[in-house]
Amino acid sequence: AQTVTQSQPEMSVQEAETVTLSCTYDTSENNYYLFWYKQPPSRQMILVIRQEAYKQQNATENRFSVNFQKAAKSFSLKISDSQLGDTAMYFCAFMPKGAQKLVFGQGTRLTINP
Amino acid sequence: DTAVSQTPKYLVTQMGNDKSIKCEQNLGHDTMYWYKQDSKKFLKIMFSYNNKELIINETVPNRFSPKSPDKAHLNLHINSLELGDSAVYFCASSQVGTDNEKLFFGSGTQLSVL
Repeated sequence: AQTVTQSQPEMSVQEAETVTLSCTYDTSENNYYLFWYKQPPSRQMILVIRQEAYKQQNATENRFSVNFQKAAKSFSLKISDSQLGDTAMYFCAFMPKGAQKLVFGQGTRLTINP
Repeated sequence: DTAVSQTPKYLVTQMGNDKSIKCEQNLGHDTMYWYKQDSKKFLKIMFSYNNKELIINETVPNRFSPKSPDKAHLNLHINSLELGDSAVYFCASSQVGTDNEKLFFGSGTQLSVL
């Protein structure tokens, strides 16, 4: 069975600091996608960043970047220059290519303090 | 323009009632999903449909019956509602088999069973 584990239930940092959220996953698949979704208090699920397993280069989207370690099955999210609007639940997710099923981790509640 | 829209946003009802949640996507995607988010924020897939055909049914009680009249719509009907059905239900869609495969989510329906 494919599983995604986020070991940090909650994190809190000061505005402008850098924070890293951890994620590990377990799969026997070789071709898959990894995602980080953000869920602010509005409840909307917002895609933050996406990584394709066959790409060695780590994905980046403005202040958000990932550290993808395929052999270690690790996919951490780094948020640089954190902002108050980054306060949200963050979910790591995994999807085998063509599987039509996204498997989520338990989530990390991130609070950015002023 | 809302890409994935679901109605209603909030639903409060009594135990034993039957209710429906509607979902529509205007992205031209071929696959639609229902996810359940429990009180601990864990997101779990319930169903996925590809071109109106059921692909995944994750051991959901048969009181839950999805219906896909066309590939742009996936509705969820729930019979004989129970207290444990209280949760946030998310609809999502994706285009399977593309290089940019990812899920787009609706804003969620918060179901409260009293």
